[in-house]
Amino acid sequence: GQNIDQPTEMTATEGAIVQINCTYQTSGFNGLFWYQQHAGEAPTFLSYNVLDGLEEKGRFSSFLSRSKGYSYLLLKELQMKDSASYLCAASQTGANNLFFGTGTRLTVIP
Amino acid sequence: DAEITQSPRHKITETGRQVTLACHQTWNHNNMFWYRQDLGHGLRLIHYSYGVQDTNKGEVSDGYSVSRSNTEDLPLTLESAASSQTSVYFCASSENSRDDEQYFGPGTRLTVT
Repeated sequence: GQNIDQPTEMTATEGAIVQINCTYQTSGFNGLFWYQQHAGEAPTFLSYNVLDGLEEKGRFSSFLSRSKGYSYLLLKELQMKDSASYLCAASQTGANNLFFGTGTRLTVIP
Repeated sequence: DAEITQSPRHKITETGRQVTLACHQTWNHNNMFWYRQDLGHGLRLIHYSYGVQDTNKGEVSDGYSVSRSNTEDLPLTLESAASSQTSVYFCASSENSRDDEQYFGPGTRLTVT
């Protein structure tokens, strides 16, 4: 079976740091994707983790612990344009499709 | 530049009508996917294809069909539209493997009245 949990909504202040968590229970788990989706737009790729540890990409970092079924997306130096939904998605061995969580809507306030 | 497009962007149709949503990608990607996105459910996979003549059912495939006659296109057909199929539909493509990111089209907002 597949289950991915993320908080529904989060609010953070401009310039601050926010961590968005994702827990998963996925049969045949392979790797974990993060996508960003602004309101009314398509999702766009942010990061991909297949090994344990932290991957840093500018202001965004993503972490994976395979043994704990846990990932997080870390956003630093928040900007107003970071207000969006952040989608966590798991890939499986033996398949090329993804299973998505329901997404976390982040609101950045001044 | 390579891209993925969807048409129409908005569609209103009546219950019982057949509707086809188009998806076209110019990346020459092998994998193509159709999702629907509804409040409280996130993105759910409808159908997917790993190459020409290959199609597979996703988790919410009832009432939908696809065909893949070439690499670039994966049209999604609603055989007999129902109000429960009112949603935003996204098409996506990826190159080859499960490690490749998916590129999403701009979406089609479908309303079934």
